[in-house]
Amino acid sequence: SQQGEEDPQALSIQEGENATMNCSYKTSINNLQWYRQNSGRGLVHLILIRSNEREKHSGRLRVTLDTSKKSSSLLITASRAADTASYFCATDSLWNQGGKLIFGQGTELSVKP
Amino acid sequence: NAGVTQTPKFQVLKTGQSMTLQCAQDMNHEYMSWYRQDPGMGLRLIHYSVGAGITDQGEVPNGYNVSRSTTEDFPLRLLSAAPSQTSVYFCASRTQGGGYTFGSGTRLTVV
Repeated sequence: SQQGEEDPQALSIQEGENATMNCSYKTSINNLQWYRQNSGRGLVHLILIRSNEREKHSGRLRVTLDTSKKSSSLLITASRAADTASYFCATDSLWNQGGKLIFGQGTELSVKP
Repeated sequence: NAGVTQTPKFQVLKTGQSMTLQCAQDMNHEYMSWYRQDPGMGLRLIHYSVGAGITDQGEVPNGYNVSRSTTEDFPLRLLSAAPSQTSVYFCASRTQGGGYTFGSGTRLTVV
C-alpha cells in the first residue's frame, strides 16, 4: 500500500493566489520529499525536509513537517500558470537502506491566468 | 552529465512477449529504483537497488525482474507481458542530497 495520502486530490486557483497541498504518511521517516510532474513528463524534485526539521523554504515554496501528526504541507505562494502540474509527496522510511521512496497519489493543481 | 536515461520512450507489446526497459545514469549514484505510474494510482515501486549486485522487491514486483551488474545500469525485464502491465515506467536514482533524479519515462502498451 502507498505510504502517503494527499489532500486535496485536485485544486484550482487563480494566478497570484497561494496553493496549499497536504500529505499524510504512516511510518517513521528519514525525510519527506515533494515532486512536481508536468503532464506527460518525468518527475522533478522540488524540496526535501528531514525528520528533524519543521519548516523549509525554497523560492516560492514552503514546506512544513509535523512528525507527531505524520503530516506535511506544501505551500506555493503567488502562483503562476506555469505552476500547473501534479504534485507528489514521497517518504524515505527510517528503516530503509535507500532506493525505496514511497509516493502518495498526488494533487493536481490548475492555476488559471 | 546526461542524468537518468530511459529507452525506449514508447513501446507496444503483444500479450506474452518479453522485453527489457533500459535505464542508465552517469552520476555514480548507488541507489536506483523502478516505478510504474497508472492513472489515479500515483507511483508504485517495482524494484530497487542499493548498489551493484544488490536488488530488492518493492510494492508491485510480480511479473518483473531486475539486475544490477554495474553502478550505471539498472534494466527492468518484463517476462511475459500482460495487459495489466500497460503503464508508464520511470527509473530514478538517488542523489547525494537524498532527492531523486527521474528519467523521462517509458510508455508501455500491452495489447
